[in-house]
Amino acid sequence: NAGVMQNPRHLVRRRGQEARLRCSPMKGHSHVYWYRQLPEEGLKFMVYLQKENIIDESGMPKERFSAEFPKEGPSILRIQQVVRGDSAAYFCASSPRTETQYFGPGTRLLVL
Amino acid sequence: KNEVEQSPQNLTAQEGEFITINCSYSVGISALHWLQQHPGGGIVSLFMLSSGKKKHGRLIATINIQEKHSSLHITASHPRDSAVYICAVSVDSNYQLIWGAGTKLIIKP
Repeated sequence: NAGVMQNPRHLVRRRGQEARLRCSPMKGHSHVYWYRQLPEEGLKFMVYLQKENIIDESGMPKERFSAEFPKEGPSILRIQQVVRGDSAAYFCASSPRTETQYFGPGTRLLVL
Repeated sequence: KNEVEQSPQNLTAQEGEFITINCSYSVGISALHWLQQHPGGGIVSLFMLSSGKKKHGRLIATINIQEKHSSLHITASHPRDSAVYICAVSVDSNYQLIWGAGTKLIIKP
């Protein structure tokens, strides 16, 4: 059973471009969580999704950020018009229920 | 005061030493997680505990629900154990984890 997969592992974007981060949960997991870790800081919750539904996006910035978890395919975290402050590690976790979270390796986004 | 406190913040030890990292929390929890973050940044979930003790290889995690305290122990420490160890709790049925600040562990050869 493969673990949580994230791609790309590293992503470089110029200011104003779009960043798309993908997360494939573990097999059988229908809950996905996205976290952001800014340099030298701890992880911060962004959004919790179940298949085709956003359950809680209270940690998402109000603008430019969106997330989806379609019926088929990976969960996508999308950042439009990236700015330097978006540079961070973005971690995805999945779970079969709401407590046991298994983390992916993260995507490191660098905005030039 | 943070709801999840870890100690120490930084720990440097020699290879072979027995390591203890502590986590105290002030809220009612449904589970406590220990995670490891390597210098490259990847996060590995080590344990999820709601009571008692768990062991995996050289790692042991214990939790005392009454005292709201958990410890992570590493026996026969090795330089490859060098990482940040993070304690996080889930509160009741709340899926959002409350994170400790992490303990940076360096094991010297």
